[in-house]
Amino acid sequence: DIQMTQSPSTLFASVGDRVSITCRASQSIESWLAWYQQKPGKAPKLLIYEASNLDSGVPSRFSGSKFGTEFTLTISSLQPDDFATYYCQQYNSYSDLTFGGGTRVEIK
Amino acid sequence: QVTLEESGPVLVKPTETLTLTCTVSGFSLTNETLGVSWIRQPPGKALEWLAHIFSPDGKYYRPSLGSRLTISKDASKSQVVLTMTNMNPVDAGTYYCARILSGGSGGYLDLWGRGTLVNVSS
Repeated sequence: DIQMTQSPSTLFASVGDRVSITCRASQSIESWLAWYQQKPGKAPKLLIYEASNLDSGVPSRFSGSKFGTEFTLTISSLQPDDFATYYCQQYNSYSDLTFGGGTRVEIK
Repeated sequence: QVTLEESGPVLVKPTETLTLTCTVSGFSLTNETLGVSWIRQPPGKALEWLAHIFSPDGKYYRPSLGSRLTISKDASKSQVVLTMTNMNPVDAGTYYCARILSGGSGGYLDLWGRGTLVNVSS
């Protein structure tokens, strides 16, 4: 099984800050990684797929990058609507789909 | 408009079998480029993939739960059904169905249902 280690688990930030969340895969997953945003009581929402492709309608302040087995979600200028929990998900195989542990972005 | 909607019991007893239904609209379950997945989330915890189903007959299960899970579909009704046997209190949480789009040898989840909360208690 591929493990996804996501950090930090909680991040305190202010509106306008640049924030980054990292996921490290336990083995190569090429670029088969997605990022989701989840707000309390709501279903997750796809932000990014294939490491760096923005889903339709997602604001351009969100971006994704890859360096080896380390993946980063960056929000260039945090907005009030962005305070939420973020999850990464690897999809290297149909029989092994795993999520990271989540990062909660809270107001400083 | 593409939508997915979960339905099923709010409460099941320990050792019982849980049956959940995902009713989809706006896409066909016979489309071979996409499928439907089930994901759960215990209260306050992370997401956990359970199973997915593709056309014509692809079915995949979380290895640690594989013997307890069965996924099936009725394309004529636009429904995907997940059953989980021998329910335990640790299985409580919100259960989501989501559309999975193929990517490489796997897939990502582009649209989700609202989720259905399942409690396990006698």
